[in-house]
Amino acid sequence: SAVISQKPSRDICQRGTSLTIQCQVDSQVTMMFWYRQQPGQSLTLIATANQGSEATYESGFVIDKFPISRPNLTFSTLTVSNMSPEDSSIYLCSVVSGVNQPQHFGDGTRLSIL
Amino acid sequence: GIQVEQSPPDLILQEGANSTLRCNFSDSVNNLQWFHQNPWGQLINLFYIPSGTKQNGRLSATTVATERYSLLYISSSQTTDSGVYFCAPRYRGSTLGRLYFGRGTQLTVWP
Repeated sequence: SAVISQKPSRDICQRGTSLTIQCQVDSQVTMMFWYRQQPGQSLTLIATANQGSEATYESGFVIDKFPISRPNLTFSTLTVSNMSPEDSSIYLCSVVSGVNQPQHFGDGTRLSIL
Repeated sequence: GIQVEQSPPDLILQEGANSTLRCNFSDSVNNLQWFHQNPWGQLINLFYIPSGTKQNGRLSATTVATERYSLLYISSSQTTDSGVYFCAPRYRGSTLGRLYFGRGTQLTVWP
C-alpha cells in the first residue's frame, strides 16, 4: 500500500494564525481526502482534493477557512485559516490508489489552538 | 441521510476474552472498511470487505451487504487491541473512495 507522510505531526498555534498541513504519498494516487476528527468524535470529511482544480467541500466546510491544494498526483496541502480553539482537532489525509482499492490514512496532525 | 451505527459504543474486556462488534448501515454499499485507531491516534486499516468473511490472525470480519451489516470478531483479546474501532462503508453512487464513518466502538482490554 502507499506510504503516506503527513507533516507536521502536531502543533500548538495561537488564535488567529494559520497553519498548512502537508500530505506526501510515495506513489501516484487517484483520490486524496482531508478529514477532521474533533476530540472524542468520529471522522468527518472536510473535502476531496482534486488534482489541478478546486477541491470539493462537504457541507459545513468552506474554502476560505480550509483552502486545499493538490498540484500533482502525490501531494496535497490543507490550510487551517484564522484558527480558533474550536479548530483543535486531529486532521488526517487519506488516499485511494484506484478503483476497488482500500482507503489508507496518514498518521494525522494533532492541532491545538491556544 | 446516510447512517452508520456501531454497537456497542463502549466495551471493556479482560485479556483473553472474545468480542463481536457490529456495524449497521442504511444504504447499499460497494465496499466497507474496518479501522483500528490506536491510543496515539493512528488509523490502521484492518479489513476491506464488501461481502463475505475475511480473517487476519485473531481478527475476522463478515459483511452481509444484502442485510446491511458487518461484524468484526476479536478473539483472545490483548491489551494492544485497546483503542477505537471504526466501521466505514463506501456507498454506491458516492464519490470514488468517499467513506462514511460510524461513531466507533471504544475497546479497553485489561491485563
